Amino acid sequence: GAGVSQSPSNKVTEKGKDVELRCDPISGHTALYWYRQRLGQGLEFLIYFQGNSAPDKSGLPSDRFSAERTGESVSTLTIQRTQQEDSAVYLCASGQNRENTGELFFGEGSRLTVL
Amino acid sequence: AQSVAQPEDQVNVAEGNPLTVKCTYSVSGNPYLFWYVQYPNRGLQFLLKYITGDNLVKGSYGFEAEFNKSQTSFHLKKPSALVSDSALYFCAVRRPLSGNTPLVFGKGTRLSVIA
Repeated sequence: GAGVSQSPSNKVTEKGKDVELRCDPISGHTALYWYRQRLGQGLEFLIYFQGNSAPDKSGLPSDRFSAERTGESVSTLTIQRTQQEDSAVYLCASGQNRENTGELFFGEGSRLTVL
Repeated sequence: AQSVAQPEDQVNVAEGNPLTVKCTYSVSGNPYLFWYVQYPNRGLQFLLKYITGDNLVKGSYGFEAEFNKSQTSFHLKKPSALVSDSALYFCAVRRPLSGNTPLVFGKGTRLSVIA
């Protein structure tokens, strides 16, 4: 497809388990973002990848959160030892403009529920 | 660091009336400003952006926004609201190119257009 693809769309897990969320950006997009959206809340920046530069991890809320990106393709967001407060929709977005002027294209998100 | 404020959690407007969704920003230098919309159960969509030039920018679905540097604002407007405009609206800001900088979102404003 032509858009940003995220999987799984829904994930229910038990507290303490690890989860991995996947994002397939639009082909050719050098920038990739992860955001978190809690119920009724705004978008919370988590991490930003731009090409081969070191990622901006300043938004990751704890060391239980990590993300990787292979080149300019797929990214995975991993949450270890999940907690109930991790329940949220995790949104991935990609863009193609290095000069910071381009818009982002968002996936539909992965809804995580931690029981 | 850049930040965005959306002072209203909720805006209600009657169909056919003009609407305004407010946004103020804080960033060093000239900002790049964006508006995104999130319809129910759908991903975020880009509406419009201000990079440089004319302070009044026009975007999708008849929306426009005015960049006001002295007031550090970028309010979203539409002359005549439709019920289908009901959604969650996010303002976002990014610093101009000085290395790679993330796109920072406001908390969102829920617009409800009443028939």
